[in-house]
Amino acid sequence: DVKVTQSSRYLVKRTGEKVFLECVQDMDHENMFWYRQDPGLGLRLIYFSYDVKMKEKGDIPEGYSVSREKKERFSLILESASTNQTSMYLCASSSLAGGSYNEQFFGPGTRLTVL
Amino acid sequence: GQQVMQIPQYQHVQEGEDFTTYCNSSTTLSNIQWYKQRPGGHPVFLIQLVKSGEVKKQKRLTFQFGEAKKNSSLHITATQTTDVGTYFCAPRTSGTYKYIFGTGTRLKVLA
Repeated sequence: DVKVTQSSRYLVKRTGEKVFLECVQDMDHENMFWYRQDPGLGLRLIYFSYDVKMKEKGDIPEGYSVSREKKERFSLILESASTNQTSMYLCASSSLAGGSYNEQFFGPGTRLTVL
Repeated sequence: GQQVMQIPQYQHVQEGEDFTTYCNSSTTLSNIQWYKQRPGGHPVFLIQLVKSGEVKKQKRLTFQFGEAKKNSSLHITATQTTDVGTYFCAPRTSGTYKYIFGTGTRLKVLA
């Protein structure tokens, strides 16, 4: 069964802290994504990775960085957390099978609160 | 840049009534995906449309892709309480890997 897991369901951090959000997929997918979801704004893409050590900025990369050292793991890093980064963070993965961009499988999400 | 508008933002229906959500893009699309997110859950893939004018059905759900590939719709016939959730469209333009998610339509079904 397809699975995307995220390291925490809920996280509370203080302003200025460095925050790591981890995502692991067991489907050998090439593509991995980080989104944030806020009420009324839908899902917004933060970063995308299409291979190990490869990354592309999404629509809202400011204040975030990512790391993909292994194919199955994609980390989102908040270098210095701020209150406006309080949000639901969703990780997703997809394959490139057939040469097209296939469905995205989402993890359960991490609700991050920055105080 | 590409803009995606999804309407309505909210919809309350009586169980048994039909429901439709619309997704409109400012640019021509390569393909479009639809997702459903139950309350407290994560988005789950429903379908992908690729061809101009394409219509696909999944039981009571009918998905359409516009002839100009700039809009799409999801229609649910005879809603049930299990249809409750937020429906997102996620279109993609050619030459990019990105799917731009719409703001979603939140459906409530009153029993």
